[in-house]
Amino acid sequence: DAKTTQPPSMDCAEGRAANLPCNHSTISGNEYVYWYRQIHSQGPQYIIHGLKNNETNEMASLIITEDRKSSTLILPHATLRDTAVYYCIVVVETSGSRLTFGEGTQLTVNP
Amino acid sequence: DGGITQSPKYLFRKEGQNVTLSCEQNLNHDAMYWYRQDPGQGLRLIYYSQIVNDFQKGDIAEGYSVSREKKESFPLTVTSAQKNPTAFYLCATMTSGGYNEQFFGPGTRLTVL
Repeated sequence: DAKTTQPPSMDCAEGRAANLPCNHSTISGNEYVYWYRQIHSQGPQYIIHGLKNNETNEMASLIITEDRKSSTLILPHATLRDTAVYYCIVVVETSGSRLTFGEGTQLTVNP
Repeated sequence: DGGITQSPKYLFRKEGQNVTLSCEQNLNHDAMYWYRQDPGQGLRLIYYSQIVNDFQKGDIAEGYSVSREKKESFPLTVTSAQKNPTAFYLCATMTSGGYNEQFFGPGTRLTVL
């Protein structure tokens, strides 16, 4: 699976959009981009995933560049409860795959 | 309620003792996973099982053992051979035939004294 690079930490004001970047320059054609987040002392939670098209759900939007070498997770109106570590993971879409969690980005939403 | 149960939430053991962490699920998911997390670090995969009676080593399997005799259960034993067992342990499941959404339990924080 391709390796990902994320900034270790970011800050965002409450109510503003949080844009979390992820580089995955060695991604293969059959690898998907997944985002999870982990609130302190809890298990990670799935947020969203995509292959090459932009995706949106009730939690976030995922923007993947045309060359697929990077992506951005967007939380449109960050709240204090969005403070968490966000993990960007690249994985082949196979049933029962193993996920490799890096160190992620610690997002702190400030009042 | 459907979900993943890990018990206990906090566990204390003396050095040199084996300890078994429980993970039970009623989601009817085929795949189950064990991760270890150290303070300020990401999750590291210990073992995973894609089907009953079969399991594979992850990245840090040394000093750990697992069994998968039932679909619902995937216990992890931390043996005395594990040099630094104090950590936060997370169990996860994933359904088959779908995308890679893993569901996580609440975790067990193990402290070896």
